[in-house]
Amino acid sequence: SQKIEQNSEALNIQEGKTATLTCNYTNYSPAYLQWYRQDPGRGPVFLLLIRENEKEKRKERLKVTFDTTLKQSLFHITASQPADSATYLCALDRGSTLGRLYFGRGTQLTVWP
Amino acid sequence: NAGVTQTPKFQVLKTGQSMTLQCAQDMNHEYMSWYRQDPGMGLRLIHYSVGAGITDQGEVPNGYNVSRSTTEDFPLRLLSAAPSQTSVYFCASNPGTGVRNSPLHFGNGTRLTVT
Repeated sequence: SQKIEQNSEALNIQEGKTATLTCNYTNYSPAYLQWYRQDPGRGPVFLLLIRENEKEKRKERLKVTFDTTLKQSLFHITASQPADSATYLCALDRGSTLGRLYFGRGTQLTVWP
Repeated sequence: NAGVTQTPKFQVLKTGQSMTLQCAQDMNHEYMSWYRQDPGMGLRLIHYSVGAGITDQGEVPNGYNVSRSTTEDFPLRLLSAAPSQTSVYFCASNPGTGVRNSPLHFGNGTRLTVT
């Protein structure tokens, strides 16, 4: 079955630094990979989507890469701010099933002043 | 435009009781789904629907029923609650008939405790 691993449960960095979160997957090759942000007591909120034929996607201070050879996606937040503190989830499809999106367990990011 | 609305926000049930978690969206989305989120487990797909009258199972469907009689509503039924169903439940929708190339819009969840 598809396995999705996010590199660590928690990541603490200083304000202004770049946060890098990792999402690794096994077995299947997704055509799309998505990243979400989740704040305590709230539902996840979509941030970025990257396709398998795209190496990199950017949105303001966010950057996502997708390496299908390594079966890995990296999520970067540059010039991080305390307001970026949240849990970040990666999600991917299983390649052949259109209705199923699978999520990793998430990485809790804390940005301290 | 309210997005995805889930009710109730909190619920406590006794083992064996039944209840329905409500989910409604006002974005005319074809695709709707239910996830549960447990500590250390991440979000797990329970059931999903690609349109009115069409539903399918996800990873963890046992103990849950769904139906989709309208585009707007996708209720999740627990027929006989068990302590293992204690979790936070999220409903999500998206405008397409699949999730591969468009994002999910989530509600803010229902926190269910089964004693």
